[in-house]
Amino acid sequence: GQQLNQSPQSMFIQEGEDVSMNCTSSSIFNTWLWYKQDPGEGPVLLIALYKAGELTSNGRLTAQFGITRKDSFLNISASIPSDVGIYFCAGQLRYGNKLVFGAGTILRVKS
Amino acid sequence: GAVVSQHPSWVICKSGTSVKIECRSLDFQATTMFWYRQFPKQSLMLMATSNEGSKATYEQGVEKDKFLINHASLTLSTLTVTSAHPEDSSFYICSARDLEGRASDEQYFGPGTRLTVT
Repeated sequence: GQQLNQSPQSMFIQEGEDVSMNCTSSSIFNTWLWYKQDPGEGPVLLIALYKAGELTSNGRLTAQFGITRKDSFLNISASIPSDVGIYFCAGQLRYGNKLVFGAGTILRVKS
Repeated sequence: GAVVSQHPSWVICKSGTSVKIECRSLDFQATTMFWYRQFPKQSLMLMATSNEGSKATYEQGVEKDKFLINHASLTLSTLTVTSAHPEDSSFYICSARDLEGRASDEQYFGPGTRLTVT
């Protein structure tokens, strides 16, 4: 079945540093989504990408949909303590199809 | 944004009993709801897709007779864990897709339900 490889598994960075994480897939997705999950809560959508090559920003977050449609990255600039959490990528083949989630990246920020 | 609620937020039950978890879309209608399970430090794994007025579609390896899903209205889906065992202890999360939604981002997640089976 479809699988997403997300890296890194975890990051422990200094406040103010930039962060980058990515997801790759062996198969094509037509939509890439990035979510953040705080402990004991459901995921919250950060950015949705619908077109190959698309680069989208949401505040300090920037994500890109890879040109091959098999990868995506998420960057966080100037990290702050509230960025702590688990970040998940998710791919969707078509609208209405199920989401396939990556394993997650645990982000810790040292202030 | 649209809000999805889950009830209860946490539950402890004894082995062998059944537990029902509700997922509600509060301010939109959802023909489709999804149920996920998440074990500690792991990703979300889709269990089943729940469609209003029809039978749920279960993912491979998920027992439909153990995890009963009912999607009786456009705003409510329930997941019943029958004859629960300690290995069913997990974080159960639902998501709901907006009836009017045309884009992938119009799928909203609930806050999750922590189930502990003793």
